[in-house]
Amino acid sequence: EPEVTQTPSHQVTQMGQEVILRCVPISNHLYFYWYRQILGQKVEFLVSFYNNEISEKSEIFDDQFSVERPDGSNFTLKIRSTKLEDSAMYFCASKGDFSGELFFGEGSRLTVL
Amino acid sequence: DQQVKQNSPSLSVQEGRISILNCDYTNSMFDYFLWYKKYPAEGPTFLISISSIKDKNEDGRFTVFLNKSAKHLSLHIVPSQPGDSAVYFCAASVLVSGNTGKLIFGQGTTLQVKP
Repeated sequence: EPEVTQTPSHQVTQMGQEVILRCVPISNHLYFYWYRQILGQKVEFLVSFYNNEISEKSEIFDDQFSVERPDGSNFTLKIRSTKLEDSAMYFCASKGDFSGELFFGEGSRLTVL
Repeated sequence: DQQVKQNSPSLSVQEGRISILNCDYTNSMFDYFLWYKKYPAEGPTFLISISSIKDKNEDGRFTVFLNKSAKHLSLHIVPSQPGDSAVYFCAASVLVSGNTGKLIFGQGTTLQVKP
Protein backbone atom coordinates (compact mmCIF):
# COMPACT_ATOMS: atom_id res chain seq x y z
CA GLU A 1 0.00 0.00 0.00
CA PRO A 2 1.42 3.42 -0.91
CA GLU A 3 2.49 5.51 2.05
CA VAL A 4 3.85 8.87 3.03
CA THR A 5 7.39 8.59 4.35
CA GLN A 6 9.17 11.09 6.57
CA THR A 7 12.76 11.58 7.63
CA PRO A 8 14.26 11.90 10.13
CA SER A 9 12.07 10.11 12.64
CA HIS A 10 13.66 12.10 15.45
CA GLN A 11 15.89 15.16 15.39
CA VAL A 12 17.45 16.91 18.35
CA THR A 13 18.76 20.41 17.73
CA GLN A 14 19.99 23.44 19.60
CA MET A 15 17.84 26.55 19.78
CA GLY A 16 18.61 28.89 16.88
CA GLN A 17 19.70 26.12 14.51
CA GLU A 18 18.10 25.43 11.15
CA VAL A 19 16.17 22.22 10.69
CA ILE A 20 14.87 20.57 7.53
CA LEU A 21 12.23 17.87 7.78
CA ARG A 22 11.74 15.76 4.71
CA CYS A 23 8.71 13.99 3.31
CA VAL A 24 8.01 11.82 0.29
CA PRO A 25 4.27 12.01 -0.38
CA ILE A 26 2.36 9.29 -2.21
CA SER A 27 3.52 9.50 -5.81
CA ASN A 28 0.38 10.53 -7.67
CA HIS A 29 -0.87 12.91 -5.00
CA LEU A 30 -1.34 16.58 -5.74
CA TYR A 31 -2.11 18.22 -2.39
CA PHE A 32 0.49 18.39 0.36
CA TYR A 33 0.31 19.50 3.96
CA TRP A 34 2.34 19.87 7.10
CA TYR A 35 0.76 19.52 10.51
CA ARG A 36 2.26 19.44 13.94
CA GLN A 37 1.30 18.10 17.34
CA ILE A 38 2.83 19.49 20.47
CA LEU A 39 2.88 16.86 23.20
CA GLY A 40 -0.57 16.50 24.75
CA GLN A 41 -2.22 18.90 22.34
CA LYS A 42 -4.29 18.59 19.18
CA VAL A 43 -2.95 18.10 15.69
CA GLU A 44 -2.61 21.59 14.19
CA PHE A 45 -2.55 22.65 10.54
CA LEU A 46 0.59 24.48 9.46
CA VAL A 47 0.55 24.83 5.70
CA SER A 48 -0.97 23.47 2.51
CA PHE A 49 0.79 23.29 -0.85
CA TYR A 50 -0.69 22.77 -4.28
CA ASN A 51 0.52 23.42 -7.81
CA ASN A 52 3.99 24.34 -6.53
CA GLU A 53 2.85 27.07 -4.23
CA ILE A 54 1.52 27.60 -0.74
CA SER A 55 -2.27 27.65 -0.86
CA GLU A 56 -2.85 28.40 2.80
CA LYS A 57 -0.83 28.81 5.98
CA SER A 58 -1.75 29.12 9.61
CA GLU A 59 -0.69 31.77 12.11
CA ILE A 60 1.94 29.35 13.39
CA PHE A 61 3.62 29.30 9.99
CA ASP A 62 5.56 32.55 10.35
CA ASP A 63 8.65 33.78 8.50
CA GLN A 64 10.81 31.19 10.22
CA PHE A 65 9.02 28.43 8.32
CA SER A 66 9.22 27.57 4.64
CA VAL A 67 8.23 24.67 2.44
CA GLU A 68 9.61 23.43 -0.82
CA ARG A 69 8.99 20.72 -3.36
CA PRO A 70 12.44 20.76 -4.95
CA ASP A 71 12.33 17.79 -7.26
CA GLY A 72 8.76 16.61 -7.79
CA SER A 73 8.96 13.89 -5.18
CA ASN A 74 10.23 15.41 -1.94
CA PHE A 75 8.31 17.92 0.13
CA THR A 76 10.35 19.68 2.80
CA LEU A 77 9.63 21.85 5.81
CA LYS A 78 12.41 24.18 6.90
CA ILE A 79 12.58 25.99 10.20
CA ARG A 80 15.26 28.68 9.90
CA SER A 81 15.99 29.40 13.54
CA THR A 82 14.39 26.93 15.90
CA LYS A 83 12.81 27.95 19.19
CA LEU A 84 12.08 25.82 22.23
CA GLU A 85 8.36 25.99 21.43
CA ASP A 86 8.97 24.39 18.02
CA SER A 87 9.48 21.07 19.80
CA ALA A 88 6.69 18.87 18.48
CA MET A 89 5.81 15.97 16.24
CA TYR A 90 5.62 17.18 12.65
CA PHE A 91 3.38 15.26 10.26
CA CYS A 92 3.46 15.43 6.50
CA ALA A 93 0.25 14.51 4.67
CA SER A 94 -0.93 14.24 1.11
CA LYS A 95 -4.04 13.50 -0.89
CA GLY A 96 -4.70 12.63 -4.46
CA ASP A 97 -7.80 14.64 -5.14
CA PHE A 98 -9.46 17.51 -3.40
CA SER A 99 -12.27 15.47 -1.91
CA GLY A 100 -10.19 12.51 -0.81
CA GLU A 101 -8.94 11.66 2.61
CA LEU A 102 -5.58 12.82 3.87
CA PHE A 103 -2.82 10.25 4.25
CA PHE A 104 -0.31 11.00 6.99
CA GLY A 105 3.28 10.00 7.44
CA GLU A 106 4.56 8.59 10.70
CA GLY A 107 5.91 11.92 11.80
CA SER A 108 9.24 13.53 12.62
CA ARG A 109 9.81 14.30 16.26
CA LEU A 110 11.71 17.57 16.71
CA THR A 111 13.30 18.32 20.05
CA VAL A 112 14.78 21.79 20.49
CA LEU A 113 17.15 22.20 23.43
CA ASP B 1 -9.41 27.67 17.70
CA GLN B 2 -12.16 25.41 19.03
CA GLN B 3 -14.05 24.74 15.82
CA VAL B 4 -13.95 21.00 16.44
CA LYS B 5 -14.34 19.67 19.96
CA GLN B 6 -14.07 16.26 21.49
CA ASN B 7 -15.20 16.80 25.05
CA SER B 8 -14.31 13.36 26.37
CA PRO B 9 -10.56 12.98 26.73
CA SER B 10 -10.88 9.27 27.45
CA LEU B 11 -13.26 6.34 27.18
CA SER B 12 -12.97 2.83 28.56
CA VAL B 13 -15.15 -0.05 27.33
CA GLN B 14 -15.21 -3.80 27.68
CA GLU B 15 -14.23 -5.97 24.73
CA GLY B 16 -17.25 -6.90 22.64
CA ARG B 17 -19.29 -3.88 23.72
CA ILE B 18 -20.02 -0.74 21.74
CA SER B 19 -17.67 2.25 21.82
CA ILE B 20 -19.23 5.62 21.08
CA LEU B 21 -16.94 8.57 20.48
CA ASN B 22 -18.45 12.00 20.14
CA CYS B 23 -17.47 15.18 18.36
CA ASP B 24 -19.05 18.63 18.10
CA TYR B 25 -18.28 21.40 15.66
CA THR B 26 -19.17 25.06 15.44
CA ASN B 27 -18.40 26.01 11.84
CA SER B 28 -21.50 25.46 9.71
CA MET B 29 -19.35 25.64 6.57
CA PHE B 30 -17.82 22.24 7.32
CA ASP B 31 -19.12 19.72 4.80
CA TYR B 32 -16.81 16.76 5.17
CA PHE B 33 -15.97 14.94 8.36
CA LEU B 34 -13.42 12.26 9.10
CA TRP B 35 -12.28 10.04 11.92
CA TYR B 36 -8.64 9.18 12.35
CA LYS B 37 -7.03 6.69 14.69
CA LYS B 38 -3.60 7.28 16.13
CA TYR B 39 -1.20 5.02 17.97
CA PRO B 40 1.71 6.50 19.97
CA ALA B 41 4.68 7.53 17.80
CA GLU B 42 2.70 7.00 14.60
CA GLY B 43 0.83 9.28 12.25
CA PRO B 44 -2.97 9.47 12.18
CA THR B 45 -4.56 6.71 10.13
CA PHE B 46 -7.78 7.35 8.25
CA LEU B 47 -10.76 5.33 9.50
CA ILE B 48 -13.98 6.58 8.00
CA SER B 49 -15.52 9.73 6.60
CA ILE B 50 -18.91 11.24 5.92
CA SER B 51 -20.12 13.97 3.65
CA SER B 52 -22.62 16.51 4.94
CA ILE B 53 -25.21 15.24 2.45
CA LYS B 54 -25.42 12.00 4.42
CA ASP B 55 -26.32 11.23 8.00
CA LYS B 56 -24.72 7.82 8.27
CA ASN B 57 -21.80 5.94 6.80
CA GLU B 58 -20.85 2.40 7.69
CA ASP B 59 -17.67 0.42 7.11
CA GLY B 60 -17.47 -2.91 8.83
CA ARG B 61 -17.39 -2.41 12.58
CA PHE B 62 -17.24 1.37 12.22
CA THR B 63 -20.24 3.64 11.70
CA VAL B 64 -20.21 7.41 11.67
CA PHE B 65 -23.40 9.37 12.33
CA LEU B 66 -23.83 13.02 11.46
CA ASN B 67 -26.46 15.31 12.96
CA LYS B 68 -26.12 18.58 11.08
CA SER B 69 -28.76 20.46 13.02
CA ALA B 70 -26.93 19.68 16.27
CA LYS B 71 -23.49 20.05 14.65
CA HIS B 72 -22.59 16.72 16.14
CA LEU B 73 -21.05 13.54 14.88
CA SER B 74 -20.25 10.26 16.50
CA LEU B 75 -18.22 7.17 15.76
CA HIS B 76 -19.60 3.80 16.80
CA ILE B 77 -17.35 0.77 17.01
CA VAL B 78 -19.17 -2.53 17.35
CA PRO B 79 -17.93 -4.87 18.65
CA SER B 80 -14.96 -3.19 20.28
CA GLN B 81 -11.68 -5.09 20.27
CA PRO B 82 -8.51 -4.58 22.35
CA GLY B 83 -6.67 -3.62 19.15
CA ASP B 84 -9.00 -0.64 18.84
CA SER B 85 -7.29 0.96 21.84
CA ALA B 86 -5.81 4.20 20.49
CA VAL B 87 -6.45 7.93 20.29
CA TYR B 88 -9.33 8.83 17.99
CA PHE B 89 -9.43 12.20 16.31
CA CYS B 90 -12.43 13.80 14.73
CA ALA B 91 -11.60 16.16 11.86
CA ALA B 92 -13.59 18.46 9.62
CA SER B 93 -13.03 20.19 6.33
CA VAL B 94 -14.64 22.59 3.89
CA LEU B 95 -14.60 21.07 0.43
CA VAL B 96 -15.58 23.93 -1.82
CA SER B 97 -13.68 25.17 -4.83
CA GLY B 98 -10.96 27.56 -3.81
CA ASN B 99 -10.57 26.08 -0.38
CA THR B 100 -7.42 24.19 0.52
CA GLY B 101 -9.14 21.14 1.96
CA LYS B 102 -7.20 21.40 5.20
CA LEU B 103 -8.45 19.41 8.16
CA ILE B 104 -9.32 20.92 11.52
CA PHE B 105 -8.84 18.37 14.27
CA GLY B 106 -10.46 17.86 17.63
CA GLN B 107 -8.37 17.24 20.73
CA GLY B 108 -8.74 13.49 20.52
CA THR B 109 -10.32 10.82 22.71
CA THR B 110 -8.23 8.00 24.11
CA LEU B 111 -10.14 4.75 23.82
CA GLN B 112 -9.17 1.80 25.97
CA VAL B 113 -10.82 -1.52 25.22
CA LYS B 114 -10.38 -3.96 28.08
CA PRO B 115 -10.18 -7.70 27.38
